[in-house]
Amino acid sequence: NAGVTQTPKFRVLKTGQSMTLLCAQDMNHEYMYWYRQDPGMGLRLIHYSVGEGTTAKGEVPDGYNVSRLKKQNFLLGLESAAPSQTSVYFCASSSPSSYGYTFGSGTRLTVV
Amino acid sequence: KQEVTQIPAALSVPEGENLVLNCSFTDSAIYNLQWFRQDPGKGLTSLLLIQSSQREQTSGRLNASLDKSSGRSTLYIAASQPGDSATYLCAVILTSGTYKYIFGTGTRLKVLA
Repeated sequence: NAGVTQTPKFRVLKTGQSMTLLCAQDMNHEYMYWYRQDPGMGLRLIHYSVGEGTTAKGEVPDGYNVSRLKKQNFLLGLESAAPSQTSVYFCASSSPSSYGYTFGSGTRLTVV
Repeated sequence: KQEVTQIPAALSVPEGENLVLNCSFTDSAIYNLQWFRQDPGKGLTSLLLIQSSQREQTSGRLNASLDKSSGRSTLYIAASQPGDSATYLCAVILTSGTYKYIFGTGTRLKVLA
């Protein structure tokens, strides 16, 4: 099935460790996004990309880096994880023709 | 700054009831409005997408309307079922080329059998 795939689905990190979350889409969408979802705070945009090789900061970018080396992939990196980054991370993609979002199923990250 | 508000935050209704969920936004210069459903511990599933030139969209028992001038959208669910229990989120994207959706905090719906 076409869609957005996120890996891994679950991860526990120790404070200070690093990791990369992978988002892959097979719909040839130009735009890709990383959100985090926290109780009572809703969905907040971390970083986004409007095309291969381009990235931009969203609402809460601190502590995260991203890369979009291939059109179908959008990577989110945590260089030195902190407990405040415990959250559920969602990737989404969209096309310029409609802007409607398609979401991945999420990655539940716990930093201890 | 665009703000998106969903009221109420939570709602419980008996099975079979027709219900309306509300979404308000402060900036009427929107390009799209999209309604999503999120089940506990799951991702977001798109329900309906309304483009700025449209006034409503329908899918099965769901109907979403858009009134840009008043900054409101409603999601109408007909003949509610326990399987409709979920959190419903609306999101808007501005016409200013920002490419990014701004989300409301959602309405948590529980349909009682």
